[in-house]
Amino acid sequence: DGGITQSPKYLFRKEGQNVTLSCEQNLNHDAMYWYRQDPGQGLRLIYYSQIVNDFQKGDIAEGYSVSREKKESFPLTVTSAQKNPTAFYLCASSPRPGAGSYEQYFGPGTRLTVT
Amino acid sequence: AQSVTQPDIHITVSEGASLELRCNYSYGATPYLFWYVQSPGQGLQLLLKYFSGDTLVQGIKGFEAEFKRSQSSFNLRKPSVHWSDAAEYFCAVGAGQKVTFGTGTKLQVIP
Repeated sequence: DGGITQSPKYLFRKEGQNVTLSCEQNLNHDAMYWYRQDPGQGLRLIYYSQIVNDFQKGDIAEGYSVSREKKESFPLTVTSAQKNPTAFYLCASSPRPGAGSYEQYFGPGTRLTVT
Repeated sequence: AQSVTQPDIHITVSEGASLELRCNYSYGATPYLFWYVQSPGQGLQLLLKYFSGDTLVQGIKGFEAEFKRSQSSFNLRKPSVHWSDAAEYFCAVGAGQKVTFGTGTKLQVIP
């Protein structure tokens, strides 16, 4: 079955710790994305990558970092610099850059709670 | 830059009744338009999309949406709602370098 996996589903961390969220896809998609979802705010783009070894900041990149060493994988690190890290994080992919990138496929999400 | 407005935060319908969820967008040209559905604690699933051509598009789960350029709208409809349709629905616009999502409409279905 092709799809996007995110792990873990629930993640708990203490304030001041960095944490890495996993995202893997076997759809052979070029582009991958990270979104943050907060109640009543829709989805906000954190980072995106259209090809391996290249990524761009989205609207709310501060306090986050990513890497794209493999086409299948796009991990997101939430650093201690992120002021309000508690949220639901969604990873997505799309078949190709440009107009094709608008049709995105989502993973099941990771709920991060920082106390 | 584009924007998306979903004016209804929460909608309640009876099972078997018809449904219309509103979506208005702002963009200078015709954008790429999408509707997604999200069950609690889950990711988003694509319901349907509009790129060009016929302004009435059919999607999965019996949903359809109509693109109206004059009203800058892309409303989602379903003739008869099932209890399993209870979820949150997001309208999205693809233009420029990104996709912009609306803030979502939560649908409650009552027996």
